[in-house]
Amino acid sequence: DVKVTQSSRYLVKRTGEKVFLECVQDMDHENMFWYRQDPGLGLRLIYFSYDVKMKEKGDIPEGYSVSREKKERFSLILESASTNQTSMYLCASRGTDSPLHFGNGTRLTVT
Amino acid sequence: QKEVEQNSGPLSVPEGAIASLNCTYSDRGSQSFFWYRQYSGKSPELIMSIYSNGDKEDGRFTAQLNKASQYVSLLIRDSQPSDSATYLCAVSGSARQLTFGSGTQLTVLP
Repeated sequence: DVKVTQSSRYLVKRTGEKVFLECVQDMDHENMFWYRQDPGLGLRLIYFSYDVKMKEKGDIPEGYSVSREKKERFSLILESASTNQTSMYLCASRGTDSPLHFGNGTRLTVT
Repeated sequence: QKEVEQNSGPLSVPEGAIASLNCTYSDRGSQSFFWYRQYSGKSPELIMSIYSNGDKEDGRFTAQLNKASQYVSLLIRDSQPSDSATYLCAVSGSARQLTFGSGTQLTVLP
């Protein structure tokens, strides 16, 4: 089974802090994704990566950056956290023409 | 803009009934189709993949795909209260990312 592991289940950060969300997958998938999910807004794609050191913006990249130094690891960075970034963050990975597999999610609260 | 539309919920069915969830998509080049189940506060989990026209059955779940009409559906037979969740339809074409529908909330009443 594909395993996508997100480093934290719950995080509480203060406004202005730099926040790192880490994600690791164990299936050698080339594609990795970061989504956020908010009530009534569905899943929204923040960034994705199709190879090491490669990244592409999704629908809502503002206020976020990403890093992919190794194939199995994809990090989401909030440069200066704001209260409107309070959300559920979901990491996912997929191989070519295969389903998307999600991690357990990180519920981030910015106060 | 590629779009995936799901029938608006919430949908309620009695225990033991068949729940029918529908999804239409706009991109005719779409090749892969997925159904995810998401319980409240949890991440989506894959329940069905379908790639060719027709029906695909897995236990109580049947996915149906009609590419000519650009729709995909999910039937849940003998619905159970544990099936109560939000169901997400997702579609993939040549792009690496999937396009998700907004989801249909299903409640199975005991």
